[in-house]
Amino acid sequence: NAGVTQTPKFRILKIGQSMTLQCTQDMNHNYMYWYRQDPGMGLKLIYYSVGAGITDKGEVPNGYNVSRSTTEDFPLRLELAAPSQTSVYFCASSWTGGSTGELFFGEGSRLTVL
Amino acid sequence: GQQLNQSPQSMFIQEGEDVSMNCTSSSIFNTWLWYKQEPGEGPVLLIALYKAGELTSNGRLTAQFGITRKDSFLNISASIPSDVGIYFCAGQLRYKLTFGKGTLLTVNP
Repeated sequence: NAGVTQTPKFRILKIGQSMTLQCTQDMNHNYMYWYRQDPGMGLKLIYYSVGAGITDKGEVPNGYNVSRSTTEDFPLRLELAAPSQTSVYFCASSWTGGSTGELFFGEGSRLTVL
Repeated sequence: GQQLNQSPQSMFIQEGEDVSMNCTSSSIFNTWLWYKQEPGEGPVLLIALYKAGELTSNGRLTAQFGITRKDSFLNISASIPSDVGIYFCAGQLRYKLTFGKGTLLTVNP
């Protein structure tokens, strides 16, 4: 009954460090997404994947990379952390590409870059 | 890119009052959705609308898909303290959702 699981929940990075946000889902969903949420700004799509081996850019992909080697996992990598990447990151998944609009979200990962 | 204008940005109401919020867009969407986010959690789907003109209810929540496919509203009747949170509209085209900036709802008991 896990749904979408994100780790870590909190992380502080120094400028220039790298890290990977992990996301895994146990619902056998084909579609997975990474969003970032900044205060008062809603959710912005970073990257998405329509299936294993297939990824594409969203609205704000700069400074991030993703991979999708399995159906379950969709990690988000930050190569050179910058203060502008301080945000709350949400991973989400859906069965049919969200044609019903029902994306299932994880609890979020709060990242601070100092 | 597509943008959604959601209003109001925030609302502070008394328990028992009705609430109304809306979203407009310059683009057409195939589906309109309303999500609620509580502190420390990810958004959860409240209502999905699939046809222009559609009016759908879910308990005390009522939402409509605008005729032009460029707008939607959400009403909450007889608000209760657990209604607090951020409400997001989202428009869907193919497999991508575009989110509004959210309406922060505070309910005073």
